[in-house]
Amino acid sequence: KQEVTQIPAALSVPEGENLVLNCSFTDSAIYNLQWFRQDPGKGLTSLLLIQSSQREQTSGRLNASLDKSSGRSTLYIAASQPGDSATYLCETDSWGKLQFGAGTQVVVTP
Amino acid sequence: GAGVSQTPSNKVTEKGKYVELRCDPISGHTALYWYRQSLGQGPEFLIYFQGTGAADDSGLPNDRFFAVRPEGSVSTLKIQRTERGDSAVYLCASSLTPTGNEQFFGPGTRLTVL
Repeated sequence: KQEVTQIPAALSVPEGENLVLNCSFTDSAIYNLQWFRQDPGKGLTSLLLIQSSQREQTSGRLNASLDKSSGRSTLYIAASQPGDSATYLCETDSWGKLQFGAGTQVVVTP
Repeated sequence: GAGVSQTPSNKVTEKGKYVELRCDPISGHTALYWYRQSLGQGPEFLIYFQGTGAADDSGLPNDRFFAVRPEGSVSTLKIQRTERGDSAVYLCASSLTPTGNEQFFGPGTRLTVL
């Protein structure tokens, strides 16, 4: 069974610093990997979707990389802002078998 | 509507009662997913539909849980004989097709079993 781990569980950085969030998974046979943001008491908002054939995806200040062979994905957020404070989750999709990590709770302090 | 909607937003019930949670996906999305999320955890997969049929229900914890999507759009998650351990936020998501497409999540239904 796929296991998805996100370390650290929580992270606090001052505004302006770059954020690096890690996601590791045990089964490299994935179809895609998706990064989400979750604000307290809210649903999930999709940030980036990386197909298995891709190495990275970028959207604005966000960049996500995928290394299937080592079972890792990394989400980079450049020049963090207080509005980036949220929990970030990754999800693997193995042809319909979906598995989330527990998330990394991020606090960006002004 | 523009996004995935879920009703009710909050549901409080007593142990042993029956509850129904509703999900209205984005129009035209053929895939619909149900998850539940406990505090401090990532969402846990329950079931997903492709059209009207349940393509994978391996995440349903036991036979008290059942979900339907009779017309391929709205879905209802049904929980019989609720237990305190069923308390969680139930999330619904939809995507254009089951694989390779972005999932869009609803705001969730917070279920509390007293």
